[in-house]
Amino acid sequence: EPEVTQTPSHQVTQMGQEVILRCVPISNHLYFYWYRQILGQKVEFLVSFYNNEISEKSEIFDDQFSVERPDGSNFTLKIRSTKLEDSAMYFCASSSGGVVRETQYFGPGTRLLVL
Amino acid sequence: SQQGEEDPQALSIQEGENATMNCSYKTSINNLQWYRQNSGRGLVHLILIRSNEREKHSGRLRVTLDTSKKSSSLLITASRAADTASYFCATDLYGQNFVFGPGTRLSVLP
Repeated sequence: EPEVTQTPSHQVTQMGQEVILRCVPISNHLYFYWYRQILGQKVEFLVSFYNNEISEKSEIFDDQFSVERPDGSNFTLKIRSTKLEDSAMYFCASSSGGVVRETQYFGPGTRLLVL
Repeated sequence: SQQGEEDPQALSIQEGENATMNCSYKTSINNLQWYRQNSGRGLVHLILIRSNEREKHSGRLRVTLDTSKKSSSLLITASRAADTASYFCATDLYGQNFVFGPGTRLSVLP
């Protein structure tokens, strides 16, 4: 069964450093998403991406965040200058989309720790 | 209450018993989805129910949706220890983002 994959599974970085989280969505899906989950808290929407551009973003997704689909398979989330409060689990998701959004399939997540 | 808010926050039952979790939301939705998350792991999709549907089944799972009350319930029948996880409802809102509730932590004791 096709699945969303994410790399790395864990990332430790120093405050102020840039990190790039990578995702490979399900191949025939058209909509891509990033979410984060701070430890013990609920899953929060960051951004959705369709047709090579951001379609929606939350208040969390400020100027330090960016997303890119550099090729036909990868979808990346870049955090330019990490802060302590960026420590969280980051989930990528994809869906086949359509007029009414379909099921979002989630990857296993990348646990980011900012020191 | 928040959009997509589950109750109870935590539920502990014996293996074999049924578990019922509820989700309430505030605005009109396209659909509502239930996900499971094992501790420290990713989200596994369980069921999607559309706004024009009232009930769906998948194996031991039964989901209902009452749009007049803006609520949904997830019933897990004949629970197993492996069902121990956090369960989240997520609402797909017209013109807005996908919103997750804070989840219900289910513990199934052997």
